[in-house]
Amino acid sequence: GQSLEQPSEVTAVEGAIVQINCTYQTSGFYGLSWYQQHDGGAPTFLSYNGLDGLEETGRFSSFLSRSDSYGYLLLQELQMKDSASYFCAVRDKDNYGQNFVFGPGTRLSVLP
Amino acid sequence: EPEVTQTPSHQVTQMGQEVILRCVPISNHLYFYWYRQILGQKVEFLVSFYNNEISEKSEIFDDQFSVERPDGSNFTLKIRSTKLEDSAMYFCASSEDRSNTEAFFGQGTRLTVV
Repeated sequence: GQSLEQPSEVTAVEGAIVQINCTYQTSGFYGLSWYQQHDGGAPTFLSYNGLDGLEETGRFSSFLSRSDSYGYLLLQELQMKDSASYFCAVRDKDNYGQNFVFGPGTRLSVLP
Repeated sequence: EPEVTQTPSHQVTQMGQEVILRCVPISNHLYFYWYRQILGQKVEFLVSFYNNEISEKSEIFDDQFSVERPDGSNFTLKIRSTKLEDSAMYFCASSEDRSNTEAFFGQGTRLTVV
């Protein structure tokens, strides 16, 4: 079956660095994405890793190790507006679609 | 900035009734998707659509569900006979092409079945 695991909650203070881990067990693997979702809002794309290594986009970085079936999202210089849920999502098929399998989400609370 | 739009934002319906959720994907996108999110839970894939046909569907997407692209801009999800457990936020998403790794999500339709 398909399963992704993430911590359910993470708390950090403004200006800090936080890492949200994701481990996955899927029938296929064609990439790992990260999405941010504020309460009541739509998921918003943050980053994608198709190959091993680190991808950096401003304050956010994402890492993938395919041999370990593991990835993480690193958020630096945390701001209050970063308080949201963060989902990792695996693309498990190389077909015409983006039928990503989403993880359960990690709720990040940023404290002043 | 182009965006995916969904209507209505909130729909309340009685159990057993049919509902149609509407979406206007980004105009130059070719791949369309429906996801749902039960309150407090993860986002779940329902169906993907390309070239006027379903390309992939999940176990959730049973015979009660159907999708349609009735014209050049709209993409709809129909639930034939709603059940209480269909209550959820339904998100439409679109992406530009097969190699595109980013899906753009609409703001969602909150469906409440009573």
